[in-house]
Amino acid sequence: GQQLNQSPQSMFIQEGEDVSMNCTSSSIFNTWLWYKQDPGEGPVLLIALYKAGELTSNGRLTAQFGITRKDSFLNISASIPSDVGIYFCAGQLGGGSEKLVFGKGTKLTVNP
Amino acid sequence: NAGVTQTPKFQVLKTGQSMTLQCAQDMNHNSMYWYRQDPGMGLRLIYYSASEGTTDKGEVPNGYNVSRLNKREFSLRLESAAPSQTSVYFCATMKGGTDTQYFGPGTRLTVL
Repeated sequence: GQQLNQSPQSMFIQEGEDVSMNCTSSSIFNTWLWYKQDPGEGPVLLIALYKAGELTSNGRLTAQFGITRKDSFLNISASIPSDVGIYFCAGQLGGGSEKLVFGKGTKLTVNP
Repeated sequence: NAGVTQTPKFQVLKTGQSMTLQCAQDMNHNSMYWYRQDPGMGLRLIYYSASEGTTDKGEVPNGYNVSRLNKREFSLRLESAAPSQTSVYFCATMKGGTDTQYFGPGTRLTVL
């Protein structure tokens, strides 16, 4: 089946640093989503991208839908301790598909 | 407005026991999903239901059954639990015509 390659698997950064993570695929997606999962909780949607080339921000978070429709990245600027968690990318193939394909996650640790 | 609720939050079973995980949503969404999350594996789709009365297999359906009781409820049943089914189970919903899934808080299942 389709796979999303998400990298890096984990990151250890200092508070205040910027963070970048990305997802790539061999398949074309119609939608890219970025989720954050706090420990012991379910994933929560951060940003949704619907158009190739689209750049969308949500506070300190910025995500882009790659022009080839096969990749997306998420940037977090000026990280803070509450940014700790696991970040997942997800893509929807479209064509009436009701399913999402998820990356394996990037685990972010922020040292105060 | 509770969103997506899951019961129980935690469960310990012995090998061979059966149980049903419950999921309910009050968002009037058409589609509902069951995922399992294992360390390093991300979220894997077990079963989904695009609408009331329909269910389809996902990536890892073996050992599970589902029932879409009505628009609000989607249950996941383990008929004979195995240690390999130790995992965190998430229910999610998606409104028809959109690509955004909303997750419940999860059920942490241990099979001894």
